Amino acid sequence: NAGVMQNPRHLVRRRGQEARLRCSPMKGHSHVYWYRQLPEEGLKFMVYLQKENIIDESGMPKERFSAEFPKEGPSILRIQQVVRGDSAAYFCASSPGQGRSNQPQHFGDGTRLSIL
Amino acid sequence: TQLLEQSPQFLSIQEGENLTVYCNSSSVFSSLQWYRQEPGEGPVLLVTVVTGGEVKKLKRLTFQFGDARKDSSLHITAAQPGDTGLYLCAARGGATNKLIFGTGTLLAVQP
Repeated sequence: NAGVMQNPRHLVRRRGQEARLRCSPMKGHSHVYWYRQLPEEGLKFMVYLQKENIIDESGMPKERFSAEFPKEGPSILRIQQVVRGDSAAYFCASSPGQGRSNQPQHFGDGTRLSIL
Repeated sequence: TQLLEQSPQFLSIQEGENLTVYCNSSSVFSSLQWYRQEPGEGPVLLVTVVTGGEVKKLKRLTFQFGDARKDSSLHITAAQPGDTGLYLCAARGGATNKLIFGTGTLLAVQP
């Protein structure tokens, strides 16, 4: 079984460009979580999505960041007009989302975003 | 805001030594998880502890959940270089199942 797949693994952008990060959850998983890992801040929750719905975006910066999880295809984390401070590792996790709410989340290997 | 403080922040030991990592909070949690993250990879779940006072063993790793469900510890016996990595505790925050991660303990085991 394929795990959570994230691409690209590494992404380099210049200030002002757009970054698109993709996440394909594990087969059968309908819940996706995005986290950001900054060197000095640790791993922080950004957004939680189910198919076609944003459930919790309390960790998302109010501007420039958006996320979607369409009915078909991967979840996308989009960062517009990137700045140096957006440089980080972005991780996606998925869970089945059915039954009990405390099902484990399975993490991808992340996208390392570097802003020049 | 729930906060998980881990200690120590960094730990460098020799192969064969024992060590303990702590995860503390002022909040009560219904469960707590431990992850290990290696460079260039995502966190991998090691264990989930649910009951206050619970002890779980995973080979040379022993996990304990505090009686009051506010803290947890991870003890590694006879550490190996393969144990090197970032150890993270995490708890579920709120109704949406999002994870709140601890500050992390970076462990380096020297051969």
